[in-house]
Amino acid sequence: EIVLTQSPDTLSLSPGDSATLSCRASQSVGFTYLAWYQQKRGQAPRLLIYGGVSRAAGIPDRVRGGGSGTDFTLTIDRLEPEDFAVYYCQVYGTSPSITFGQGTRLEIK
Amino acid sequence: QVQLVQSGSEMKEPGASVKISCKASGYSFRNYPMNWVRQARGQGLEWMGRIKTNTGDATYAPGFEGRFVFSLDTSVTTAYLEIRGLKTEDTAVYFCAPRLHGSGMDWGQGTLVTVSS
Repeated sequence: EIVLTQSPDTLSLSPGDSATLSCRASQSVGFTYLAWYQQKRGQAPRLLIYGGVSRAAGIPDRVRGGGSGTDFTLTIDRLEPEDFAVYYCQVYGTSPSITFGQGTRLEIK
Repeated sequence: QVQLVQSGSEMKEPGASVKISCKASGYSFRNYPMNWVRQARGQGLEWMGRIKTNTGDATYAPGFEGRFVFSLDTSVTTAYLEIRGLKTEDTAVYFCAPRLHGSGMDWGQGTLVTVSS
C-alpha cells in the first residue's frame, strides 16, 4: 500500500505570496495517478489537479501541479484570500485503492 | 453539469443502522465506479472503497469490511452506503465521489452521521 506524506503540516503565508506544498509517496507513482484537492471548512473537497498536472474545470492557471516518481508538488502563485484552506494529495493505485495524504493547512500569516 | 446530491444528516443510537444515498446526474452513471470517503471531525480523508456501477461489484478498504455495505439503484442513478451496527466512532461525514477525471474525483456535499446514545 502506498503511503503519502504531505509537508509541511501547516504553511503560514500572506496574500500575494506563492505557496509550494509537497506530497511524498512511499514508492514510485506514475504522475498520471496523482490528484490534488482543496477543502474549506464545512465543505466537500474540490478537485484542483488530476493526472499530476491537469487543472480541473474552473481552476486558474496560477495553480500548478508537478513532480514525478515519489515527489510531487502543488504550487499556488499570488495567493488570494480564498486560497487559504486545507489541501490533500491523493493517488489512485492498483487493485483499485485510493490513498490520501494527511493534508496541509494553508493559513494566513 | 455533474451533480452529486447526498441525503441529509442522520442521528442514530449505537447498534442501529443507517443508509445514505447519493443521487448522481450530469454524467454516464454506469461508466464510473462510485467511491465512498469518510472524514471524522477535524480529521483527514479516508477511502472506504468503491462500487462498480456497471456490475455492482464492491471493494472495501481494510477496516470497512463487514458493517459497511455499498449498493446501487441504477434505474435512478443512485448509490447507497449502509452502515450496520453503528458505533460512536462511526460519527463522521461521508462523501460519495466518482472518479470522473483520470485520477481525480468529483464529490457529493457530504452526509453527517452522528452516533450517540
